[in-house]
Amino acid sequence: EVVLTQSPGTLSLSPGERATLSCRASQSISSRFLAWYQQNPGQAPRLLIYGASSRATGIPDRFSGSGSGTDFTLTISRLEPEDFAVYYCQQYDSSPRTFGQGTKVEIK
Amino acid sequence: QVQLQESGPGLVKPSETLSLTCTVSGGPISGYYWSWIRQPPGKRLEWIGYVHYSGSTNYNPSLQSRVTISVDTSKNQFSLRLTSVTAADTAVYYCARRRYGVLDYWGQGTLVTVSS
Repeated sequence: EVVLTQSPGTLSLSPGERATLSCRASQSISSRFLAWYQQNPGQAPRLLIYGASSRATGIPDRFSGSGSGTDFTLTISRLEPEDFAVYYCQQYDSSPRTFGQGTKVEIK
Repeated sequence: QVQLQESGPGLVKPSETLSLTCTVSGGPISGYYWSWIRQPPGKRLEWIGYVHYSGSTNYNPSLQSRVTISVDTSKNQFSLRLTSVTAADTAVYYCARRRYGVLDYWGQGTLVTVSS
Protein backbone atom coordinates (compact mmCIF):
# COMPACT_ATOMS: atom_id res chain seq x y z
CA GLU A 1 0.00 0.00 0.00
CA VAL A 2 1.28 3.45 -0.92
CA VAL A 3 1.49 5.69 2.13
CA LEU A 4 1.10 9.42 1.47
CA THR A 5 2.59 11.86 3.97
CA GLN A 6 1.56 15.49 3.78
CA SER A 7 3.43 18.42 5.26
CA PRO A 8 3.06 20.65 7.06
CA GLY A 9 0.12 19.52 9.17
CA THR A 10 -1.07 23.10 9.51
CA LEU A 11 -0.15 26.18 7.50
CA SER A 12 -0.98 29.58 9.03
CA LEU A 13 -1.10 32.30 6.37
CA SER A 14 -2.85 35.56 5.57
CA PRO A 15 -5.13 36.22 2.61
CA GLY A 16 -3.07 37.14 -0.44
CA GLU A 17 -0.10 35.04 0.61
CA ARG A 18 1.26 32.03 -1.25
CA ALA A 19 0.66 28.52 0.10
CA THR A 20 2.89 25.56 -0.69
CA LEU A 21 1.69 22.11 0.37
CA SER A 22 3.74 18.94 0.08
CA CYS A 23 2.74 15.32 -0.48
CA ARG A 24 5.36 12.59 -0.33
CA ALA A 25 4.70 8.99 -1.37
CA SER A 26 6.29 5.88 0.13
CA GLN A 27 6.94 4.57 -3.38
CA SER A 28 7.03 6.09 -6.83
CA ILE A 29 3.67 6.95 -8.36
CA SER A 30 3.79 6.20 -12.06
CA SER A 31 2.20 8.36 -14.71
CA ARG A 32 1.71 11.06 -12.12
CA PHE A 33 -1.55 9.47 -10.87
CA LEU A 34 -1.81 11.96 -8.04
CA ALA A 35 -4.82 14.14 -7.21
CA TRP A 36 -5.53 16.96 -4.77
CA TYR A 37 -8.84 17.66 -3.03
CA GLN A 38 -10.09 20.57 -0.93
CA GLN A 39 -12.45 20.00 1.99
CA ASN A 40 -14.28 22.68 3.93
CA PRO A 41 -15.77 21.90 7.35
CA GLY A 42 -18.89 19.79 7.12
CA GLN A 43 -18.61 19.46 3.34
CA ALA A 44 -17.53 16.78 0.92
CA PRO A 45 -14.09 16.98 -0.67
CA ARG A 46 -13.82 18.79 -4.00
CA LEU A 47 -11.46 17.70 -6.76
CA LEU A 48 -8.86 20.38 -7.51
CA ILE A 49 -6.03 18.71 -9.40
CA TYR A 50 -5.60 15.39 -11.23
CA GLY A 51 -2.66 13.91 -13.07
CA ALA A 52 -0.46 15.84 -10.61
CA SER A 53 -0.84 19.12 -12.52
CA SER A 54 -4.15 19.33 -14.42
CA ARG A 55 -6.83 21.56 -12.92
CA ALA A 56 -10.32 20.10 -12.65
CA THR A 57 -13.23 21.85 -14.28
CA GLY A 58 -14.00 25.23 -12.75
CA ILE A 59 -10.90 25.39 -10.55
CA PRO A 60 -9.25 28.85 -10.53
CA ASP A 61 -5.77 29.18 -11.98
CA ARG A 62 -4.34 30.28 -8.64
CA PHE A 63 -4.26 26.54 -7.85
CA SER A 64 -1.42 24.62 -9.45
CA GLY A 65 0.08 21.18 -8.97
CA SER A 66 3.52 19.84 -9.74
CA GLY A 67 5.82 16.95 -9.04
CA SER A 68 6.53 13.40 -10.05
CA GLY A 69 7.80 10.14 -8.63
CA THR A 70 7.46 10.45 -4.87
CA ASP A 71 7.29 14.22 -4.33
CA PHE A 72 4.31 16.37 -5.24
CA THR A 73 3.32 19.95 -4.47
CA LEU A 74 0.09 21.94 -4.46
CA THR A 75 0.58 25.69 -4.71
CA ILE A 76 -2.04 28.36 -4.12
CA SER A 77 -0.54 31.54 -5.54
CA ARG A 78 -2.66 34.07 -3.65
CA LEU A 79 -4.93 32.87 -0.89
CA GLU A 80 -8.55 33.93 -1.09
CA PRO A 81 -10.85 33.72 1.99
CA GLU A 82 -12.58 30.63 0.59
CA ASP A 83 -9.25 28.79 0.25
CA PHE A 84 -8.82 28.30 4.00
CA ALA A 85 -9.64 24.62 4.24
CA VAL A 86 -8.09 21.16 4.52
CA TYR A 87 -6.29 19.73 1.50
CA TYR A 88 -5.75 16.04 0.78
CA CYS A 89 -3.60 14.32 -1.78
CA GLN A 90 -4.66 10.95 -3.19
CA GLN A 91 -2.86 8.41 -5.34
CA TYR A 92 -4.72 6.38 -7.92
CA ASP A 93 -1.77 4.51 -9.37
CA SER A 94 -2.19 1.35 -7.34
CA SER A 95 -4.78 -0.42 -5.24
CA PRO A 96 -5.80 0.32 -2.61
CA ARG A 97 -6.25 3.97 -3.45
CA THR A 98 -4.88 5.99 -0.53
CA PHE A 99 -5.09 9.51 0.81
CA GLY A 100 -2.69 11.69 2.75
CA GLN A 101 -3.57 12.77 6.27
CA GLY A 102 -4.31 16.32 5.11
CA THR A 103 -2.88 19.82 5.47
CA LYS A 104 -5.01 22.47 7.12
CA VAL A 105 -4.57 25.98 5.73
CA GLU A 106 -5.75 28.40 8.41
CA ILE A 107 -5.99 32.16 8.67
CA LYS A 108 -3.05 33.68 10.51
CA GLN B 1 -25.00 18.80 -12.88
CA VAL B 2 -24.44 15.35 -11.41
CA GLN B 3 -25.59 15.02 -7.82
CA LEU B 4 -25.14 12.16 -5.38
CA GLN B 5 -27.06 11.59 -2.16
CA GLU B 6 -26.32 9.00 0.50
CA SER B 7 -29.13 7.46 2.53
CA GLY B 8 -29.38 4.88 5.28
CA PRO B 9 -29.43 4.42 9.04
CA GLY B 10 -27.27 6.76 11.10
CA LEU B 11 -26.93 4.28 13.95
CA VAL B 12 -25.91 0.63 13.68
CA LYS B 13 -25.35 -1.82 16.52
CA PRO B 14 -22.02 -3.62 16.89
CA SER B 15 -21.80 -6.92 14.96
CA GLU B 16 -24.68 -5.90 12.67
CA THR B 17 -24.59 -4.86 9.02
CA LEU B 18 -24.21 -1.30 7.80
CA SER B 19 -26.21 -0.62 4.63
CA LEU B 20 -26.12 2.61 2.64
CA THR B 21 -27.51 3.62 -0.73
CA CYS B 22 -26.29 6.37 -3.03
CA THR B 23 -28.78 7.86 -5.47
CA VAL B 24 -27.35 9.52 -8.57
CA SER B 25 -29.26 12.30 -10.30
CA GLY B 26 -28.50 14.69 -13.15
CA GLY B 27 -26.61 12.08 -15.14
CA PRO B 28 -26.50 8.37 -15.97
CA ILE B 29 -25.00 5.75 -13.75
CA SER B 30 -24.05 3.79 -16.84
CA GLY B 31 -20.58 4.34 -18.23
CA TYR B 32 -18.87 5.10 -14.95
CA TYR B 33 -17.32 3.63 -11.84
CA TRP B 34 -18.90 4.49 -8.49
CA SER B 35 -17.05 4.63 -5.20
CA TRP B 36 -17.50 4.59 -1.47
CA ILE B 37 -15.08 6.44 0.81
CA ARG B 38 -15.23 6.98 4.55
CA GLN B 39 -13.68 9.35 7.06
CA PRO B 40 -13.54 8.37 10.74
CA PRO B 41 -13.72 11.34 13.12
CA GLY B 42 -10.44 13.27 13.02
CA LYS B 43 -8.80 10.83 10.61
CA ARG B 44 -7.88 10.73 6.96
CA LEU B 45 -10.13 9.62 4.14
CA GLU B 46 -10.21 5.87 3.49
CA TRP B 47 -11.13 4.34 0.15
CA ILE B 48 -13.61 1.46 0.62
CA GLY B 49 -14.04 0.32 -2.97
CA TYR B 50 -15.82 0.88 -6.23
CA VAL B 51 -18.30 -0.75 -8.58
CA HIS B 52 -18.49 -0.45 -12.34
CA TYR B 53 -21.96 0.05 -13.82
CA SER B 54 -21.54 -3.46 -15.27
CA GLY B 55 -21.29 -4.82 -11.73
CA SER B 56 -17.56 -5.53 -11.48
CA THR B 57 -15.98 -4.44 -8.20
CA ASN B 58 -12.68 -3.61 -6.52
CA TYR B 59 -12.35 -3.42 -2.75
CA ASN B 60 -9.81 -2.21 -0.22
CA PRO B 61 -8.07 -5.40 0.99
CA SER B 62 -8.40 -4.20 4.58
CA LEU B 63 -12.21 -4.40 4.26
CA GLN B 64 -12.64 -6.99 1.51
CA SER B 65 -13.90 -9.78 3.75
CA ARG B 66 -16.75 -7.61 5.05
CA VAL B 67 -17.75 -5.31 2.20
CA THR B 68 -20.07 -5.62 -0.78
CA ILE B 69 -20.76 -2.83 -3.26
CA SER B 70 -23.53 -3.32 -5.80
CA VAL B 71 -25.25 -1.26 -8.49
CA ASP B 72 -28.84 -0.97 -9.68
CA THR B 73 -28.83 0.84 -13.01
CA SER B 74 -32.63 0.81 -13.25
CA LYS B 75 -32.83 2.98 -10.14
CA ASN B 76 -29.62 4.96 -10.79
CA GLN B 77 -28.37 3.78 -7.41
CA PHE B 78 -25.45 1.91 -5.94
CA SER B 79 -25.11 0.47 -2.47
CA LEU B 80 -22.68 -0.41 0.28
CA ARG B 81 -22.96 -3.28 2.73
CA LEU B 82 -20.44 -3.68 5.54
CA THR B 83 -20.92 -6.64 7.84
CA SER B 84 -19.86 -7.29 11.44
CA VAL B 85 -19.33 -3.63 12.24
CA THR B 86 -17.46 -2.35 15.29
CA ALA B 87 -16.88 1.09 16.76
CA ALA B 88 -13.92 1.44 14.38
CA ASP B 89 -16.41 1.63 11.51
CA THR B 90 -17.92 4.84 12.88
CA ALA B 91 -17.31 7.43 10.17
CA VAL B 92 -18.79 9.81 7.67
CA TYR B 93 -19.48 7.73 4.58
CA TYR B 94 -19.27 9.37 1.17
CA CYS B 95 -20.30 8.11 -2.23
CA ALA B 96 -18.56 9.51 -5.29
CA ARG B 97 -18.21 9.11 -9.03
CA ARG B 98 -14.87 7.83 -10.23
CA ARG B 99 -13.72 9.15 -13.61
CA TYR B 100 -10.26 8.41 -15.03
CA GLY B 101 -9.29 7.30 -11.54
CA VAL B 102 -10.24 10.46 -9.65
CA LEU B 103 -13.37 11.29 -7.70
CA ASP B 104 -15.03 14.17 -9.50
CA TYR B 105 -18.47 14.28 -7.91
CA TRP B 106 -19.19 13.54 -4.27
CA GLY B 107 -22.24 13.19 -2.07
CA GLN B 108 -22.53 15.34 1.04
CA GLY B 109 -21.71 12.39 3.26
CA THR B 110 -23.64 10.66 6.01
CA LEU B 111 -22.47 9.97 9.54
CA VAL B 112 -22.84 6.37 10.65
CA THR B 113 -22.26 5.65 14.31
CA VAL B 114 -21.71 2.12 15.57
CA SER B 115 -23.01 1.86 19.10
CA SER B 116 -25.33 -0.27 21.18
